[in-house]
Amino acid sequence: GAVVSQHPSRVICKSGTSVKIECRSLDFQATTMFWYRQFPKQSLMLMATSNEGSKATYEQGVEKDKFLINHASLTLSTLTVTSAHPEDSSFYICSALAGGAYGYTFGSGTRLTVV
Amino acid sequence: DAKTTQPPSMDCAEGRAANLPCNHSTISGNEYVYWYRQIHSQGPQYIIHGLKNNETNEMASLIITEDRKSSTLILPHATLRDTAGYYCIAVYNQGGKLIFGQGTELSVKP
Repeated sequence: GAVVSQHPSRVICKSGTSVKIECRSLDFQATTMFWYRQFPKQSLMLMATSNEGSKATYEQGVEKDKFLINHASLTLSTLTVTSAHPEDSSFYICSALAGGAYGYTFGSGTRLTVV
Repeated sequence: DAKTTQPPSMDCAEGRAANLPCNHSTISGNEYVYWYRQIHSQGPQYIIHGLKNNETNEMASLIITEDRKSSTLILPHATLRDTAGYYCIAVYNQGGKLIFGQGTELSVKP
């Protein structure tokens, strides 16, 4: 139980285009989801908290117009990287609070490469 | 959320117990201690969490000091597959944000 599915696992896009990453809770409802990114040999950095039916809350220094988050249902949150540039290349990971014995469950991550 | 401090790296012999320490001296009474691990290029995997009492599950044991200022994650019989980054995080259980510190890179050696 408490599975979070993240797609795609890898994506390569051209500079200036937009990329959408999906995060789904498969067997539980997630009122709140979280989005992280991770650069090589670094820890995970929280980007934003995604709340179902309301606007996301962004961490300081994260551009909300560049990283669009939509949490339209209790099982789906999406992160869209708009007008991607090479410096946006990173590992993006989502998480949801499953609760109980499962704690916070993470997706398998998306490797974004902008060329 | 309380800050946590962990050694950047540790080695452990295969088959031995791996004891990973974490300092969270500013933890508040409502904050839980969560442990996650991350194998390269994968999402973090939940290991265990606790508030005051020691906890054990099929993956590990969590020992929390009486003053709650530090904790130790114990992998009782480390295998090569336990080589990963381990993160200790203090968080309010109901919807609090997981803020990752630098964690400990555990290397299990044959």
